[in-house]
Amino acid sequence: GQNIDQPTEMTATEGAIVQINCTYQTSGFNGLFWYQQHAGEAPTFLSYNVLDGLEEKGRFSSFLSRSKGYSYLLLKELQMKDSASYLCAVRDSNYQLIWGAGTKLIIKP
Amino acid sequence: IAGITQAPTSQILAAGRRMTLRCTQDMRHNAMYWYRQDLGLGLRLIHYSNTAGTTGKGEVPDGYSVSRANTDDFPLTLASAVPSQTSVYFCASSGTSGADTQYFGPGTRLTVL
Repeated sequence: GQNIDQPTEMTATEGAIVQINCTYQTSGFNGLFWYQQHAGEAPTFLSYNVLDGLEEKGRFSSFLSRSKGYSYLLLKELQMKDSASYLCAVRDSNYQLIWGAGTKLIIKP
Repeated sequence: IAGITQAPTSQILAAGRRMTLRCTQDMRHNAMYWYRQDLGLGLRLIHYSNTAGTTGKGEVPDGYSVSRANTDDFPLTLASAVPSQTSVYFCASSGTSGADTQYFGPGTRLTVL
């Protein structure tokens, strides 16, 4: 079967750095996506990785290792507005997105 | 206004009733999707359409039907609603190349009693 695993919840302090991990087992791989979802809102796109390595975009970076079936999202200089759920999704061999259940990130002052 | 709209925003429905959730995009995306999101579970694909005139079944299609008469609209119909269909429903659209991201509508919160 296909499976995406992420921690259910994480807590971090404003101004700090947090790393959210995602491991996956899917039938085929055509890219990995990270989305942010604030409570009661729709998911919004954060990053896309298809090759191994680190993609940096401002305060957010995403890393991929295809051989390990592993990705992480790194958030730096945390702000209170970063309190949200972070969703990992893998595009499989059918070009459909398989979604993790999301990681709820709580930022404390 | 560029983006995806969904209607209604929320709905309470009696079991056994028929309901259509509407979704319209103005980004000229070929692909459209319907997901449901339940607490503790990831987004689950109900149905999708890669282009106008074609549709396909996702992970959880039972009890739902879709149509794609044109590029912009992708309605989702519950023929006879059941309480297990209580959920938040998101419509999304994307281009059809590998790197294309999915853009989501604001969602419809549906409660079936």
